Amino acid sequence: GDSVTQMEGPVTLSEEAFLTINCTYTATGYPSLFWYVQYPGEGLQLLLKATKADDKGSNKGFEATYRKETTSFHLEKGSVQVSDSAVYFCALRSPGGGNKLTFGTGTQLKVEL
Amino acid sequence: DTAVSQTPKYLVTQMGNDKSIKCEQNLGHDTMYWYKQDSKKFLKIMFSYNNKELIINETVPNRFSPKSPDKAHLNLHINSLELGDSAVYFCASSPDSTYEAFFGQGTRLTVV
Repeated sequence: GDSVTQMEGPVTLSEEAFLTINCTYTATGYPSLFWYVQYPGEGLQLLLKATKADDKGSNKGFEATYRKETTSFHLEKGSVQVSDSAVYFCALRSPGGGNKLTFGTGTQLKVEL
Repeated sequence: DTAVSQTPKYLVTQMGNDKSIKCEQNLGHDTMYWYKQDSKKFLKIMFSYNNKELIINETVPNRFSPKSPDKAHLNLHINSLELGDSAVYFCASSPDSTYEAFFGQGTRLTVV
């Protein structure tokens, strides 16, 4: 079945540091890939997405590239801010998986001054 | 103009009680979902409805019963609540089952 593996957290960075959160997946067919963000006490918000190989999703300075050859969708940001502190979820949706949205375990990011 | 709204936001109840959580979306989406988020933030799908029809029913105790009176609403009724039901429950919707999902703010259920 479909699955998503994310790096364990928490990840603690200083403001303006470079961020990478790794995400790899297993899926039937050609999935769409997503990154969601959950700020404390809130619901999940879509951060970015990519629907086919080599697509790059980007939003608010975050980027992720759909790499079919390595089945990865790593999240990056060049300079994090305190306001980026949140839990980040990698997710996929594939036709072979019944089109349900399958999430990784989430990675908590803490950004300090 | 909230897109996906859930009520209540917090729910504290005793073991054995029956409770409901309501969800409404004003996005005109055809597909709605219920997800459960445990204390470690792990998210697992429970149910999915498309145009009022159940299309995904994961391994969930039959004490949980979703009801979709129309495609804008998907309510979750839970019978005989147990301590292990304590979690945050999220409602979500999407235009169809191939798009990203839009989430509500969550309902934090605490069973005591």
